[in-house]
Amino acid sequence: DAGVIQSPRHEVTEMGQEVTLRCKPISGHNSLFWYRQTMMRGLELLIYFNNNVPIDDSGMPEDRFSAKMPNASFSTLKIQPSEPRDSAVYFCASSLALGGVLNEKLFFGSGTQLSVL
Amino acid sequence: AQTVTQSQPEMSVQEAETVTLSCTYDTSENNYYLFWYKQPPSRQMILVIRQEAYKQQNATENRFSVNFQKAAKSFSLKISDSQLGDTAMYFCASSAGNKLTFGGGTRVLVKP
Repeated sequence: DAGVIQSPRHEVTEMGQEVTLRCKPISGHNSLFWYRQTMMRGLELLIYFNNNVPIDDSGMPEDRFSAKMPNASFSTLKIQPSEPRDSAVYFCASSLALGGVLNEKLFFGSGTQLSVL
Repeated sequence: AQTVTQSQPEMSVQEAETVTLSCTYDTSENNYYLFWYKQPPSRQMILVIRQEAYKQQNATENRFSVNFQKAAKSFSLKISDSQLGDTAMYFCASSAGNKLTFGGGTRVLVKP
């Protein structure tokens, strides 16, 4: 397996533009996570899905952020409109969670470096 | 809610020596797991070691070992015989349910 695949690797956009980040999890994994990493706030969990269903989106900063998982092999994180404070590295990760407890390691993608000017 | 705290923002160690990274966590769950992840400059997140909270025996993975003190909610990482390739950010993490919560990270610099 190629691992968790994220695209794009880098994204530079202007304030007010729509940004869409993409993620393909590892085949067979049933849990998918979106994290945001900044120097100030570290790694923050934005949202996670289990069996394609959003379970907890309490980490999503505000209504400008939305995430979807239309099928087991694809997820998107959208920011509309984007703002300079959204600049960060966004990671997607997947795992196989059994029994309701995350006991296996997360497999992370390479991240998307987002810069909003 | 669970929290994970790493009190050491940065540490340096001479090559071949030992360094210990601190981590404390707080959770109300009885069934949980603890992890240490490494993030080198390449940005990739790499699992270093995993500990099951119901196991008293400390996990070991080659040069990496943990000191798990459940009552104190402490989970430190020891890197023995440090190598230049160990230079990275290290994150402690705790899972409860299907959520993994990370600490703020400790930057480790291995000096030749």
